[in-house]
Amino acid sequence: GEDVEQSLFLSVREGDSSVINCTYTDSSSTYLYWYKQEPGAGLQLLTYIFSNMDMKQDQRLTVLLNKKDKHLSLRIADTQTGDSAIYFCAEMNYGGSQGNLIFGKGTKLSVKP
Amino acid sequence: GAVVSQHPSRVICKSGTSVKIECRSLDFQATTMFWYRQFPKQSLMLMATSNEGSKATYEQGVEKDKFLINHASLTLSTLTVTSAHPEDSSFYICSGYREYTEAFFGQGTRLTVV
Repeated sequence: GEDVEQSLFLSVREGDSSVINCTYTDSSSTYLYWYKQEPGAGLQLLTYIFSNMDMKQDQRLTVLLNKKDKHLSLRIADTQTGDSAIYFCAEMNYGGSQGNLIFGKGTKLSVKP
Repeated sequence: GAVVSQHPSRVICKSGTSVKIECRSLDFQATTMFWYRQFPKQSLMLMATSNEGSKATYEQGVEKDKFLINHASLTLSTLTVTSAHPEDSSFYICSGYREYTEAFFGQGTRLTVV
């Protein structure tokens, strides 16, 4: 079945760049997503990328997609303490007219001052 | 971005009672809503897919008689946990799609069954 994997923890210093990596298995995925979850809260959509793109940049966020290796990464430039959260990578699985998202286990980003 | 409002954010109930969780899309119409469950330090697991005006589709292992889903309108889906037990304690999150690609999530509901 479909599987999305990501490392569980990442610790960086404030001002550094953070890179969160994700691998997925479903080669038919057409959209891949990054979500941010702060403690006790729901998920906030950060960005998504269509599978025919290699890169997408949105302010401090850069998403890189290597479709051949099924590898997705999220780079956060100038990481701030407010970026501390759990980041979920997700791929869309088309099981019907609208697909559901398959999530990784999440990467907990800790930003040290 | 689009807003999905989920209510309540926290609820504590006694074992054996039922709890209803509401999920509303505030500024778009969601023909499909998804309900997820998240265990501590784990990812989100899809419970069911809720389609407006029809019966929900449940994932394998999810008891449809225990987790009742109603999607009465294009802006409202509800999840009712019936005869709740402590093992039902979890974080429940709904999501709705705007257009075809953008899924927006509710704030989540922390259910504690005592």
